[in-house]
Amino acid sequence: AQKVTQAQTEISVVEKEDVTLDCVYETRDTTYYLFWYKQPPSGELVFLIRRNSFDEQNEISGRYSWNFQKSTSSFNFTITASQVVDSAVYFCALTSGTDKLIFGTGTRLQVFP
Amino acid sequence: DAGITQSPRYKITETGRQVTLMCHQTWSHSYMFWYRQDLGHGLRLIYYSAAADITDKGEVPDGYVVSRSKTENFPLTLESATRSQTSVYFCASSDRVEIQETQYFGPGTRLLVL
Repeated sequence: AQKVTQAQTEISVVEKEDVTLDCVYETRDTTYYLFWYKQPPSGELVFLIRRNSFDEQNEISGRYSWNFQKSTSSFNFTITASQVVDSAVYFCALTSGTDKLIFGTGTRLQVFP
Repeated sequence: DAGITQSPRYKITETGRQVTLMCHQTWSHSYMFWYRQDLGHGLRLIYYSAAADITDKGEVPDGYVVSRSKTENFPLTLESATRSQTSVYFCASSDRVEIQETQYFGPGTRLLVL
């Protein structure tokens, strides 16, 4: 069975702090995809990144970076120098090509000025 | 560049009434999905469709009906709404061939069943 665990329900930081959101996944498939989505207070779901199981290179996009480690089944997301606009709920998700995207329960990030 | 739209954005109804939530996408994506979002559960898949006239159940299909007569539309019907169906509903689409399973989401419909 596939499963995504985001153990951190809520994180609060002060602006300019770095913050890491954890994501641990379970799957028996060797080919799979991992995703992060952002849900700001306005409610929409914004796609951030997709990573396939054969690409373990870390990715950086501006202040965002992702650390994919198959050895620990983790796909963690780090925001460097956080800003108030980063306040949102962040979801990690997994699919192994069965058309079904399995979501974690989300981590609510609050960035205070 | 409409992308994926949902209507209505907000809906209040009463127990026992039929409600239809609409989803429309302009990308000609083959796959479409319906999720519900509830506190503590994240997003859970209700139904999905791989193409017109092909639909399949997700994790929580009971009480819902879907159809897909056209590629661009994927309506979700609550045949007899219950209070437990109060939720935020998201529609999503993906073109599995071109973008390798990334799903793009609509803005959501907030449904309150009284």
